[in-house]
Amino acid sequence: ETGVTQTPRHLVMGMTNKKSLKCEQHLGHNAMYWYKQSAKKPLELMFVYSLEERVENNSVPSRFSPECPNSSHLFLHLHTLQPEDSALYLCASSQEAVRSNYGYTFGSGTRLTVV
Amino acid sequence: GQSLEQPSEVTAVEGAIVQINCTYQTSGFYGLSWYQQHDGGAPTFLSYNALDGLEETGRFSSFLSRSDSYGYLLLQELQMKDSASYFCATWGGGKLIFGQGTELSVKP
Repeated sequence: ETGVTQTPRHLVMGMTNKKSLKCEQHLGHNAMYWYKQSAKKPLELMFVYSLEERVENNSVPSRFSPECPNSSHLFLHLHTLQPEDSALYLCASSQEAVRSNYGYTFGSGTRLTVV
Repeated sequence: GQSLEQPSEVTAVEGAIVQINCTYQTSGFYGLSWYQQHDGGAPTFLSYNALDGLEETGRFSSFLSRSDSYGYLLLQELQMKDSASYFCATWGGGKLIFGQGTELSVKP
């Protein structure tokens, strides 16, 4: 375990389903992130939350809806997804605005398959 | 734009030394980081270079040349468990952006 826990580890959903991904960290970090990782592509930043406020929405379709109820928890709500949304979704946390040598701490991800 | 380029694949044998290069293009520069990701696992932070030169952490070293917009990760005494993807990353537009990753295969 890295200190960032994501559930579920695997998810298969139909295009008409609604599901949520959960991320939890107890590292005392105050910034959390959602990244999408597709095969053979760089990690793509989706959303950034700093002190529970969304500070970045990286042109992500509205079928992805993030929620950050407190500094330890982050959700990604999914609805009417497309097959091309199948990917590994990674959550990460860090100390806010610290470009330091401590980096980001990532969770192990949720492997999402849209059928 | 902001981008990082690294080779897609590298193969080496156990016990050898391998170097994974990364060139970057960013507006403003705040250091170069390296992450390791085993198949199906979480990316884990390996190292960070803010200034030119070599940073050593055990078998892994990372180098940065800001004048050349270039860095590399050096892995020594390769072990089978080093087989993984390695990503360079840097700050751009206030957020951490990643290269596409280099898949390292270590052969016996």
